[in-house]
Amino acid sequence: SQTIHQWPATLVQPVGSPLSLECTVEGTSNPNLYWYRQAAGRGLQLLFYSVGIGQISSEVPQNLSASRPQDRQFILSSKKLLLSDSGFYLCAWVLSGNTIYFGEGSWLTVV
Amino acid sequence: QKEVEQNSGPLSVPEGAIASLNCTYSDRGSQSFFWYRQYSGKSPELIMFIYSNGDKEDGRFTAQLNKASQYVSLLIRDSQPSDSATYLCAVPRGGANNLFFGTGTRLTVIP
Repeated sequence: SQTIHQWPATLVQPVGSPLSLECTVEGTSNPNLYWYRQAAGRGLQLLFYSVGIGQISSEVPQNLSASRPQDRQFILSSKKLLLSDSGFYLCAWVLSGNTIYFGEGSWLTVV
Repeated sequence: QKEVEQNSGPLSVPEGAIASLNCTYSDRGSQSFFWYRQYSGKSPELIMFIYSNGDKEDGRFTAQLNKASQYVSLLIRDSQPSDSATYLCAVPRGGANNLFFGTGTRLTVIP
């Protein structure tokens, strides 16, 4: 069966520190992968999506970057975190059609 | 105009009642519609999707689609306290099998 995992689940980082969130899918090949952010009281905002290895599309200009070094691995990074980067980060993938499934999420607090 | 709009709530219903959640969308060409449930602090999970005008039933959940009026609804029959969550409506967006998400309606079922 297909599964998606992301980690870490929670982290508290100081302003200016780097960030790396990792997402891995199992049981499928060449999935479309996504990073969303959900800030407090706000909707889901698409940050990046990838249709294949090394192929990254950015939806909004920001302090973050994404990479897809392997078919089933998607990484969200930042060199220097801002307070505004705090939020709930969700990795997601498409199993079929437009049906999107989410990982467990990562809570990031920048202090 | 936002692609997807929902009343943020909160919507409170007594246990056993029918909860009605509504969503409007702006793209008249949208063909499919998704409902997700998100418990506090957790990632969204897919409840159901609907493609055709009319009703689609799945257990206690019924999705209703009216393309002429550009709205989609989710009815929850025999509401339970465990249904208390935020419900997100989503419609496809162009490219990469992605979805626009509404900001969600928070539902509270009172025992």
